[in-house]
Amino acid sequence: SQQGEEDPQALSIQEGENATMNCSYKTSINNLQWYRQNSGRGLVHLILIRSNEREKHSGRLRVTLDTSKKSSSLLITASRAADTASYFCATDRNAGNMLTFGGGTRLMVKP
Amino acid sequence: DAGVIQSPRHEVTEMGQEVTLRCKPISGHDYLFWYRQTMMRGLELLIYFNNNVPIDDSGMPEDRFSAKMPNASFSTLKIQPSEPRDSAVYFCASSNKYEQYFGPGTRLTVT
Repeated sequence: SQQGEEDPQALSIQEGENATMNCSYKTSINNLQWYRQNSGRGLVHLILIRSNEREKHSGRLRVTLDTSKKSSSLLITASRAADTASYFCATDRNAGNMLTFGGGTRLMVKP
Repeated sequence: DAGVIQSPRHEVTEMGQEVTLRCKPISGHDYLFWYRQTMMRGLELLIYFNNNVPIDDSGMPEDRFSAKMPNASFSTLKIQPSEPRDSAVYFCASSNKYEQYFGPGTRLTVT
């Protein structure tokens, strides 16, 4: 079963709006990562947040982590049509590099 | 660096045939991962290697699947015999630390 579950499964917004995607997971983690996948392509790493961090920023991306609720959110501000993609959260199962990916959120940004 | 290289990009084969997928990781990366992605099951980890040694193959569906990493710059995933339910996109990813770098994937269709 998947460790992370994204919510919503699909999101459609207008260009310029903010997009928020949520991820819930089940077991303790060392870190949580967000990846992006354009249609027909491999996943691309966006950002990593460690279990002792609560918030992290990278450009138009803002990630939060609440370990007490076992949840994370990814906020994309001032969205662009080029942000249209699927977004996945991934958690590590142990001290190694193994990741478990959620089912993803399909984001569509309309121009 | 050219990134993770996978071949072939597309493979169409008949049920019962042997299929071999190939991957060249990013030079210097110690970890190599094989994933399978389908609409029904999402992104599943099949097996991963550390320094060319298989560490966890619990995700390999059955004995028809096998993976090897004879050296640090090459890995194969073999399916023999192939079945229609093996149709999916197979990704290879490599990693040095936490972030994983994905190849473009091989889209396999078994008829």
